[in-house]
Amino acid sequence: GDSVTQMEGPVTLSEEAFLTINCTYTATGYPSLFWYVQYPGEGLQLLLKATKADDKGSNKGFEATYRKETTSFHLEKGSVQVSDSAVYFCALGSGANSKLTFGKGITLSVRP
Amino acid sequence: DTAVSQTPKYLVTQMGNDKSIKCEQNLGHDTMYWYKQDSKKFLKIMFSYNNKELIINETVPNRFSPKSPDKAHLNLHINSLELGDSAVYFCASSQGGTERSSQHFGDGTRLSIL
Repeated sequence: GDSVTQMEGPVTLSEEAFLTINCTYTATGYPSLFWYVQYPGEGLQLLLKATKADDKGSNKGFEATYRKETTSFHLEKGSVQVSDSAVYFCALGSGANSKLTFGKGITLSVRP
Repeated sequence: DTAVSQTPKYLVTQMGNDKSIKCEQNLGHDTMYWYKQDSKKFLKIMFSYNNKELIINETVPNRFSPKSPDKAHLNLHINSLELGDSAVYFCASSQGGTERSSQHFGDGTRLSIL
């Protein structure tokens, strides 16, 4: 079945540091890939997405590229801010029913 | 304007009780979902409805019964609550049945069983 593997956390960075959060997936067919973010006490928000190989999703300074050859969708940001502190989930969407399969999530803390 | 709204936000109750969580979306979407997030933040889909028809039913105890009176609402009723049901339950919606849909989530209902 489909699965998503995220790097183990938590991750703590200083403000303006470079961020990489790794995500790899296993899926049949051609899934869409997503990064969702969950701020404390809130629901999940779509951060970015990519629907086919080599697509790059980007939003709020975050980027991720759909790499079919390495089955990866790593999230990057050049300079993190304290306000980026949240839980980040990688997910894949597959099938006609739009089922989302999530990774375990990783908590990012950015200190001033 | 809240896109996906859930009520209540917090629910504290005792083992053995029956409770319901309501969800409404004003996005005009035709597909709605229920997810369970455990204490380690792991998210797993429970159910999905498309135009009031059940299309995803993951391995969930039959104490959980979703009901969709119309495509803008998806409620979750839980009978005989158990300690293991303590979690945050998220409702979500999306448009279309294609794999390229992006889902919009509510803020969650935190269920605590005493």
